[in-house]
Amino acid sequence: NAGVMQNPRHLVRRRGQEARLRCSPVKGHSHVYWYRQLPEEGLKFMVYLQKENIIDESGMPKERFSAEFPKEGPSILRIQQVVRGDSAAYFCASSPGGANTEAFFGQGTRLTVV
Amino acid sequence: GQQLNQSPQSMFIQEGEDVSMNCTSSSIFNTWLWYKQEPGEGPVLLIALYKAGELTSNGRLTAQFGITRKDSFLNISASIPSDVGIYFCAGHLTAAGNKLTFGGGTRVLVKP
Repeated sequence: NAGVMQNPRHLVRRRGQEARLRCSPVKGHSHVYWYRQLPEEGLKFMVYLQKENIIDESGMPKERFSAEFPKEGPSILRIQQVVRGDSAAYFCASSPGGANTEAFFGQGTRLTVV
Repeated sequence: GQQLNQSPQSMFIQEGEDVSMNCTSSSIFNTWLWYKQEPGEGPVLLIALYKAGELTSNGRLTAQFGITRKDSFLNISASIPSDVGIYFCAGHLTAAGNKLTFGGGTRVLVKP
């Protein structure tokens, strides 16, 4: 997981505010994935992006959640009008893509909605 | 959708013991990955398996990709206290895109 940088590590938001989570992939990796983990559970896939394109967003809630991976800069997971149920750890992973599917994870952002 | 059943959910280890955990799936996967997660951290990749029947070792860790492509196991030999953590299996199916499907985790704890 060396190289995948997520910030902030902890984020507290009041209900109704916006949360922006950032992820810088391993240098040279063009594939980014976002996962959500609730306490005592495994990681659940949210969205898969490949530079400037959303490839698969089947795990992302239809409302309030959006993700981007611009040509320059980190990938951003944005949650609008947060609710208590959004409290979770959000992990970003990156991979080189192609036949190599080994995904390396960042340390996560722990979002708490109060 | 695909689901991974991981067992046991938790186990206690005593130093020097061998530990085993497994994952089964309702559908086939092309790749199996095993991760370890420690409190407050992200999952760390331990072993990746790419071929049915493949047996791969990484130090004291050994994992196998089941011949049916629907299961995998992870063994830890001669456990030590730093083996404590949560171990996750994850499966990847090419036709489903590059996303990983994770098991619920096996929590490895030290015997009191």
